[in-house]
Amino acid sequence: QSALTQPASVSGSPGQSITISCTGTGGDVESYNFVSWYQQHPGKAPKLLIYEVTKRPSGVSDRFSGSTSGRTASLTISGLQTDDEADYYCCSYAGTGIYVFGPGTKVTVL
Amino acid sequence: QVQLVQSGAEVKIPGASVKVSCEASGYTFTRYVMNWVRQAPGQSLEWMGWVNTDTGYTKYSQRFQDRVTITRDTSANTAYMELSSLRSEDTAVYYCARTEKWKLDNWGQGTLVTVSS
Repeated sequence: QSALTQPASVSGSPGQSITISCTGTGGDVESYNFVSWYQQHPGKAPKLLIYEVTKRPSGVSDRFSGSTSGRTASLTISGLQTDDEADYYCCSYAGTGIYVFGPGTKVTVL
Repeated sequence: QVQLVQSGAEVKIPGASVKVSCEASGYTFTRYVMNWVRQAPGQSLEWMGWVNTDTGYTKYSQRFQDRVTITRDTSANTAYMELSSLRSEDTAVYYCARTEKWKLDNWGQGTLVTVSS
């Protein structure tokens, strides 16, 4: 059972912006600036989108952005595209070398 | 370029053990931690543990503490994840992921482990 919570699904039309939340329990998201986000298309390995809450690896579109407020981290996808339809997972460091993943959010482009 | 190539799919009977390998190339193996993450069919990602590829130090999820062993062979640039006492609920895709500063920045292609009698 995950210690992080995410909405099961989020949808939007092409060109719109959507935000996915990731709420922790206090010993993870709020305590450490080590929240990362991963995109996973069906049958593929996850891909790193955001790390350390707000940073993007080289090659990741600037349409993806991250933020945090208290116990909740957020991933915003702006200018939604059909290829953004995928599952998105947040992950947080939870101290003493432990990681925790969220349950995932399915993004649908209408 | 960074590549993590995992071993092939496995079918195991309940109670058996499985060992999955992850061969790294394109970077200095011992400079990055290697994490292992699994994903049961239709389910979320689940963190299992990691190995410091330089020192061999490991950290495991409490959920798998008694059944998982993660090791590495620096001469072969390869990390291994062994899971014992397999049950049907362990049927999943197992991933290795290179890690730096708590970000899993490169992932293997995944290895499907099926546990069935």
